[in-house]
Amino acid sequence: DILMTQSPSSLSVSVGDRVIITCQASQDISNYLNWYQHKPGKAPKVLIYDVSNLEAGVPSRFSGSGSGTHFTLTITSLQPEDIATYFCEQYDTLPFTFGQGTRLEIK
Amino acid sequence: QVQLQESGPGLVKPSETLSLTCTVSGGSISSFYWNWIRQSAGKGMEWIGRIHTTGNTNYNPSVESRLTMSIDTSKKQISLKMISVTAADTAVYYCARLHAYRFDSWGHGTLVTVSA
Repeated sequence: DILMTQSPSSLSVSVGDRVIITCQASQDISNYLNWYQHKPGKAPKVLIYDVSNLEAGVPSRFSGSGSGTHFTLTITSLQPEDIATYFCEQYDTLPFTFGQGTRLEIK
Repeated sequence: QVQLQESGPGLVKPSETLSLTCTVSGGSISSFYWNWIRQSAGKGMEWIGRIHTTGNTNYNPSVESRLTMSIDTSKKQISLKMISVTAADTAVYYCARLHAYRFDSWGHGTLVTVSA
């Protein structure tokens, strides 16, 4: 299985902060990577697909980059509604695998 | 907008069978892969398997020997059956639609606890 190592596991943030979350794959997954947002008790939501493409309706303060084995999710100017857990997912090879998640907390 | 709703017993005894259903509403069930994904406490998401409306399935090798997925397009339901469960199968179970290589619709999840 492809191991997805995500960091940090948690982050204390303030409104307006720039937030960077990284995801490292244990092997080259080209651009077959998605990012999701998950709020407690709610359905997870796809934010970014194919590394850098914004899902319809997702604010432009979210962006993604990377290729091969190293990927980042950036939130510029964090908003209160962005407090959630974020996780990456690779779909290069079955079984699909996910990062452990990054939980954002307000300072 | 498509909505997914997981249902099933919240408590299963060790060694017994876990059965869950995902009901699709607000959209077509056809021509998609429907997936089961779970999250144990303090851990990341784990993809369990998927089924296409043609009946084609792919399972995670970690659970493949214990897992059966089925689909009823007339009822717009996807089912999961996992035999011989243990405490390690305790998790929130989600169903999700795979569209254009991403899970674009998810249910809210259902907590399954394996305990005597």
